[in-house]
Amino acid sequence: GESVGLHLPTLSVQEGDNSIINCAYSNSASDYFIWYKQESGKGPQFIIDIRSNMDKRQGQRVTVLLNKTVKHLSLQIAATQPGDSAVYFCAENSGYSTLTFGKGTMLLVSP
Amino acid sequence: DGGITQSPKYLFRKEGQNVTLSCEQNLNHDAMYWYRQDPGQGLRLIYYSQIVNDFQKGDIAEGYSVSREKKESFPLTVTSAQKNPTAFYLCASRMGIGGGANEQFFGPGTRLTVL
Repeated sequence: GESVGLHLPTLSVQEGDNSIINCAYSNSASDYFIWYKQESGKGPQFIIDIRSNMDKRQGQRVTVLLNKTVKHLSLQIAATQPGDSAVYFCAENSGYSTLTFGKGTMLLVSP
Repeated sequence: DGGITQSPKYLFRKEGQNVTLSCEQNLNHDAMYWYRQDPGQGLRLIYYSQIVNDFQKGDIAEGYSVSREKKESFPLTVTSAQKNPTAFYLCASRMGIGGGANEQFFGPGTRLTVL
């Protein structure tokens, strides 16, 4: 079936840099997308979401961009901090109240 | 985490034994979900329930069973029929039933190891 995937499995940045995590999706009918952060040994935590009728949404230090033309989703983290080190998952609304998750990108932030 | 509790945090099981993982939420959410996560992998949906006394199979339901007798509880049983049960199990809940775009809230997870 259709699934969500990620371009980069690991992203290493320096503290203070901006980080961009990318995600490609294949289901053009998806109408909702969400980013989660997962620290080691813990459950995923909601970061930000976006509906398909929007191109951009901003939160605190995070921005999600949606390009429906090329079916691409990105998460931008401004002024990355060591506490941002985690695995980041994108997910799409794949059906009736369910989400399909990508494999995740590990973000490593060096001091 | 966010009103969802899972127990135990770590669980060890001998081959051939059934084991039940607990998931409780006090968020008054209608929908609940069970996912399995393997190392370096994303989350795969096992079962989900949108309302009490009703549940649906996810992508990898074989070897698992669930019940939803109460709104706040959604236990998962890993049966001996599950050939590779060692994994990190995550429970989630979501406000509202049916379609829509509500986020899912996750519990802290249970790490199951088969000895």
